[in-house]
Amino acid sequence: DTAVSQTPKYLVTQMGNDKSIKCEQNLGHDTMYWYKQDSKKFLKIMFSYNNKELIINETVPNRFSPKSPDKAHLNLHINSLELGDSAVYFCASSPRTGLTGELFFGEGSRLTVL
Amino acid sequence: GENVEQHPSTLSVQEGDSAVIKCTYSDSASNYFPWYKQELGKRPQLIIDIRSNVGEKKDQRIAVTLNKTAKHFSLHITETQPEDSAVYFCAASIQAAGNKLTFGGGTRVLVKP
Repeated sequence: DTAVSQTPKYLVTQMGNDKSIKCEQNLGHDTMYWYKQDSKKFLKIMFSYNNKELIINETVPNRFSPKSPDKAHLNLHINSLELGDSAVYFCASSPRTGLTGELFFGEGSRLTVL
Repeated sequence: GENVEQHPSTLSVQEGDSAVIKCTYSDSASNYFPWYKQELGKRPQLIIDIRSNVGEKKDQRIAVTLNKTAKHFSLHITETQPEDSAVYFCAASIQAAGNKLTFGGGTRVLVKP
């Protein structure tokens, strides 16, 4: 059983297109995240949701819009893709917000913008 | 906001030797310090963590130390093995900040057989 699963795993697209990445966790966790890992491997938080409510929104262009239909799902939609959006996007979950603890990462979605 | 610096960026060691990675953080309110290991093409996975009320923690060949006064913490891997080759990330967070982890820049460790 995959704990945190993301689709697609690979995504190649042209500049200006719109794309979505989906994430689902079956761990029963309350909190989900999107992290971006750039070509230098730097991991940076983008968004965090707790029970469908947005609780962390870092300085991310508004072309990025997260959506959480329920606490087990967190999707990321990106409009008007730019070259600099090329990265690996990791979804993650943790048991409860407000309590620091382990993040469970998905396998990542590698986005390449041409 | 929190800033985490990690050194070195790359580390090459002979199998059986020890490896040490150091991190400093800026926000004295940070109280949770995990370490993640990311193998090539894989997801980051937690290997050990330490909270601010503890100075040292060990788990088999890995240990982490924390110096709150100096705001730095370190990862020690003893008797390194080829499967320890990976990128290691330190991170810091404040309990009240909704588990917002700030990661260091990563250390690429290569263990040579």
